[in-house]
Amino acid sequence: DTEVTQTPKHLVMGMTNKKSLKCEQHMGHRAMYWYKQKAKKPPELMFVYSYEKLSINESVPSRFSPECPNSSLLNLHLHALQPEDSALYLCASSQIGRMNTEAFFGQGTRLTVV
Amino acid sequence: GDSVTQMEGPVTLSEEAFLTINCTYTATGYPSLFWYVQYPGEGLQLLLKATKADDKGSNKGFEATYRKETTSFHLEKGSVQVSDSAVYFCALSFANFGNEKLTFGTGTRLTIIP
Repeated sequence: DTEVTQTPKHLVMGMTNKKSLKCEQHMGHRAMYWYKQKAKKPPELMFVYSYEKLSINESVPSRFSPECPNSSLLNLHLHALQPEDSALYLCASSQIGRMNTEAFFGQGTRLTVV
Repeated sequence: GDSVTQMEGPVTLSEEAFLTINCTYTATGYPSLFWYVQYPGEGLQLLLKATKADDKGSNKGFEATYRKETTSFHLEKGSVQVSDSAVYFCALSFANFGNEKLTFGTGTRLTIIP
């Protein structure tokens, strides 16, 4: 199984809503990532979890709250978002080791904030 | 900081044409280099990678060679197909025990016409 599964695939939410994005992998990877991709732009790193602990936060606004409840799951909790937060949110995972390893990406959640 | 520069797109080719997408990088040290592909409405898929100088990555007829002297990782394919139409991202990262951050180029949109 080399898949990273993200749910939902599409999400429309109002600016006062609270929602969560979910990501799951069963490859035994201990590093998991959230990236944000705006239209016609490359992905930008938001958060990195290493061994279920937050290791990198790229100065992301607090209305985005990540959570890693176990080694297979990664969530992104959303609250009071703005229309400019509309984007494709990509989850990725990778092994941890001495040699650089590639990241495996999910299909993404396309988020629209209205 | 680290950066990746890709040739500007969009690129439009006829089926069976030869493809080159240029990629150069700026980094302190010797990163791993990647090509990712994104089909319409989907996440990113790893196309190929190279982890050290003179390594050649290859997959599905695509090739790229890690050239330290020119800091380049150009993507090539001898005969493209309509199914190769997608956005291609060149990226780099440094091994950091699970905290790898992918730095992407701006992406090159490729369209293959029959």
